[in-house]
Amino acid sequence: DAGVTQSPTHLIKTRGQQVTLRCSPISGHKSVSWYQQVLGQGPQFIFQYYEKEERGRGNFPDRFSARQFPNYSSELNVNALLLGDSALYLCASSRGGNRGPYEQYFGPGTRLTVT
Amino acid sequence: DAKTTQPPSMDCAEGRAANLPCNHSTISGNEYVYWYRQIHSQGPQYIIHGLKNNETNEMASLIITEDRKSSTLILPHATLRDTAVYYCIVRAGPSNNAGNMLTFGGGTRLMVKP
Repeated sequence: DAGVTQSPTHLIKTRGQQVTLRCSPISGHKSVSWYQQVLGQGPQFIFQYYEKEERGRGNFPDRFSARQFPNYSSELNVNALLLGDSALYLCASSRGGNRGPYEQYFGPGTRLTVT
Repeated sequence: DAKTTQPPSMDCAEGRAANLPCNHSTISGNEYVYWYRQIHSQGPQYIIHGLKNNETNEMASLIITEDRKSSTLILPHATLRDTAVYYCIVRAGPSNNAGNMLTFGGGTRLMVKP
């Protein structure tokens, strides 16, 4: 089975622009989470979605938004990009549900560079 | 979720066992211990998790002390490909939150040397 896939792999944007990152979870997984990893630090939680509903939000500004589609894929949107948004953006999928916890499986990430 | 403390770096000789410690003295009864690793510039990889019993899978063993305040991840025969940052994470158990977020600390940078 395919693992978590993310697109694009790399992206270069200019300050003030907007960006959309995409994630496809492992088949059968209904929960998707997004993380931001700045160089030299561990990943930081941004959002979690389960069954198309937001189930968790980290300490990120409203410029960050996300959604989950009926096929459980997800998009992360970042508006008004700042230089500090340059990071590796990771998507993780898990089965989700109340009988967890379930291990999360990460994709390879999207490397965003803001200039 | 409880915080964890890990040494920032460790070395291990290739072929020897790598023992990575983690302190989680404030862990509560329904919190699990998870281990992930991250090889340079890749997404984190799930290794193993446990509640209070020792666990073993094809990648590693997890030893949790009886008081659950610390744990050790054991890679029985480390190879050069095991060089990575290893994260110990404590996370709450079943809830209505459908999965729960992972809180990553600094991790331990394991260097396996020939």
